[in-house]
Amino acid sequence: EAGVTQSPTHLIKTRGQQATLRCSPISGHTSVYWYQQALGLGLQFLLWYDEGEERNRGNFPPRFSGRQFPNYSSELNVNALELEDSALYLCAPSGTGGRYEQYFGPGTRLTVT
Amino acid sequence: GQQLNQSPQSMFIQEGEDVSMNCTSSSIFNTWLWYKQDPGEGPVLLIALYKAGELTSNGRLTAQFGITRKDSFLNISASIPSDVGIYFCAGSYTGGGADGLTFGKGTHLIIQP
Repeated sequence: EAGVTQSPTHLIKTRGQQATLRCSPISGHTSVYWYQQALGLGLQFLLWYDEGEERNRGNFPPRFSGRQFPNYSSELNVNALELEDSALYLCAPSGTGGRYEQYFGPGTRLTVT
Repeated sequence: GQQLNQSPQSMFIQEGEDVSMNCTSSSIFNTWLWYKQDPGEGPVLLIALYKAGELTSNGRLTAQFGITRKDSFLNISASIPSDVGIYFCAGSYTGGGADGLTFGKGTHLIIQP
């Protein structure tokens, strides 16, 4: 969906480091979802933020965290990186009012070496 | 957790042919979405379905929300080269977005000239 941006496009880190990924939503979308797309595993739900609060998280350890800012942009932080964290991380802002389509950004490709 | 079985895993078809793919769930979903993902990009929303039995079209694409709420299918008529990509079904259990989306593993569509 035009307007959803993620940065950086690519990120290379070493095991044990921390990574910060950013997402800027479409205007008017107050919710944001984060997904991990690892090779062979499909898209897995990570986190859901709405109105600045973490509302739900998927089956991921606490070293995956994030936040949502007053302008509804969002960050995903991954601490103590492990090799298996290498994946495409996608944010998906979502509208409200009963329509739950999620519009994905282009993703950040995280490589952990 | 929720499981979505998407089939077929891949399809090799001739340009101009019609395509059909489907998803089944072990439990009820209240929202079904279909996405297409091209290499290096995030998934793009194709069709969203909110009611059991709903049949929705988007150009050459048609999708239906199964009556049992446990399945959905996507048809593509008269395929063209730009239809190549990976198609994902996705469902929301709560319908309110709180659980994120559960994704199928994708159908890889390959069109032979």
